[in-house]
Parts: sequence; C-alpha cells; structure tokens
Amino acid sequence: KNEVEQSPQNLTAQEGEFITINCSYSVGISALHWLQQHPGGGIVSLFMLSSGKKKHGRLIATINIQEKHSSLHITASQLSDSASYICVVSPREDNNDMRFGAGTRLTVKP
Amino acid sequence: GAGVSQSPRYKVAKRGQDVALRCDPISGHVSLFWYQQALGQGPEFLTYFQNEAQLDKSGLPSDRFFAERPEGSVSTLKIQRTQQEDSAVYLCASSSNTGGGYTFGSGTRLTVV
Repeated sequence: KNEVEQSPQNLTAQEGEFITINCSYSVGISALHWLQQHPGGGIVSLFMLSSGKKKHGRLIATINIQEKHSSLHITASQLSDSASYICVVSPREDNNDMRFGAGTRLTVKP
Repeated sequence: GAGVSQSPRYKVAKRGQDVALRCDPISGHVSLFWYQQALGQGPEFLTYFQNEAQLDKSGLPSDRFFAERPEGSVSTLKIQRTQQEDSAVYLCASSSNTGGGYTFGSGTRLTVV
C-alpha cells in the first residue's frame, strides 16, 4: 500500500466548476506539499502546509493532521488548470525526505 | 539562478548509449534530490545529496545509475548502457533546509530507442 494515496486518479470537469482533489497519507509528517505538473514535465510548487488552510488566487489547500488528509480545491476552474496535481509529504522533521502520491490528472473542458 | 535548471530538456538515446543529465540547483540550496517519473506515474525517489555528500542512494534502480555533486552545487545523473525501461522524466529538486519548501526543475525527458 502506498504511503500517499490520491483520489481521483483522473478528473474531467467543465470550465467554471469547483474541483476537489484529495490526498491521504499514512505516515507522520512535518509538511505536505501540493505540486502542479503540466504536460511536458515542468513542476510548480503550489502550497506547503503543516496545518490549517492556505489560499492563493483560485486555489485553496487544507490539511487535517489528525485525520492525515489534505484537499486541494480549485474554484471557477479554467482551461489552463488542466494539469496533474501531485501530493507530496515530508515524513521527517529535517524535511530531507519526500513521498509522492501518484498524481491526479485534471482535464478542464470548455 | 532564479530557479532550478535542468539540461538537456529532451534527450533521445540509443539503447546501450551512456547519458549524463545535469541539474543546476538554486544557489545556496544545500539539499538536492533526483527523481524518476515514468509515464503516467508519480515521481519515484532516486537519490539525495546534502552539499557534496550523497546521503541516500537507495532509489537508484541499478548500478548503471550514478549521481554526483562534487562541489556541492551542480549535480549530474549518469546512466550507463541505457535501456528502454530507463525512458522517463528525470526531475531534480533543491531545498535550503530552512523550511521554505522545495523548488523543482522542469525535468529532462529521456527516451531510449
């Protein structure tokens, strides 16, 4: 069983829809990251969380440490949001270890 | 530089050829990671450096894979006698170890034909 599980694996949404991507993990962590990866491989770090909630533009990330669960929300989705979204956890305090989820491939259609 | 730079961006190698992939981390970043991402999958850890020391190479899939960071800045991932299953995107990330998170490079897409 993977230490980091994401759902759904694939997601298709209409432009303007509210989108939620979930991440569950089984290890104690010091931080959780959400990454965006566009076709072609480039990765952008969206959020780093250790508690609570963060918001950046149309993106919101939440984490519940007790339940070992995080969600990434995209409001008013746009075509340019089409990408893979990857959940990554750092299991150790020194942040020198990362465990990746398999990613959620999002396609936003007009 | 402003970000993590990887080169080449794309590499096509004939089976059996040796390849070298370069990662230029953010200046001053102590930690450097290499990941392998097969098509349709999440990245898998390969190896990790703190400065010039390779502290973890448990993810390297075989002895054909070798990584170095001799001066604690630029790192090179070398793959000898490439095979088709080596085809993947190779990602590099660096971190300052002060809790500021990681910065990823754009990756090198290796295709072995």
